[in-house]
Amino acid sequence: EVQLVESGGGLVQPGGSLRLSCAASGFTLGSHRMNWVRQAPGKGLEWIVYIGFSDSRTYYAASVRGRFTASRDNVRSSLDLQMDSLTVDDTAVYYCARDQVGDYYTDYWGPGTLVTVAS
Amino acid sequence: IVMTQSPATLSVSPGERATLSCRASQSVRSKLAWYQQKPGQAPRLLIYGASTRATGVSVRFTGSGSGTEFTLTISNLQSEDFAVYYCQQYHEWRTFGQGTKVEV
Repeated sequence: EVQLVESGGGLVQPGGSLRLSCAASGFTLGSHRMNWVRQAPGKGLEWIVYIGFSDSRTYYAASVRGRFTASRDNVRSSLDLQMDSLTVDDTAVYYCARDQVGDYYTDYWGPGTLVTVAS
Repeated sequence: IVMTQSPATLSVSPGERATLSCRASQSVRSKLAWYQQKPGQAPRLLIYGASTRATGVSVRFTGSGSGTEFTLTISNLQSEDFAVYYCQQYHEWRTFGQGTKVEV
């Protein structure tokens, strides 16, 4: 069974940092492109990071570029999202999401982890 | 690429048909997916390639369109279909529409 489980969310002050992780199981992580998507409370979905088969091909949405850094470890079957210089606008549920092998649409999502940026 | 969904909210009775629209600011060919999201849950893939149902998705869900205009039709609405629906283009990176809430 395909499983993606995010962790590392919590409360952080504005200007602070947080590192999220995503543990993948039930499939070979190295065969899939991956993404991070977030959803602010009561709002819609916002795609923020695309990670190719390796860290070398990573693309960030303008809203997080320069502040967030994504990485993956295909051997450990995990992804990380380092979030720096956080603002209240970064408050959201963060989802780890898998692209279908051989294509670019997202077929599986983790349950998400909540990040709250507040003083 | 900006994705625009309409309407924002759709009020439908059980057993009726719901028609949701999604428009892209430029052509995304058929690189369009639809997702369903229920409160407190992660999104679930319904349609990819504009018209292909994902595994396990009911035949009541039909996707159509290409280029810039897309439609998701839900026929014979069931209680479990009341949710928020998002379109997403994956032709150029990724962009979501703002969502359509289907309510009773």
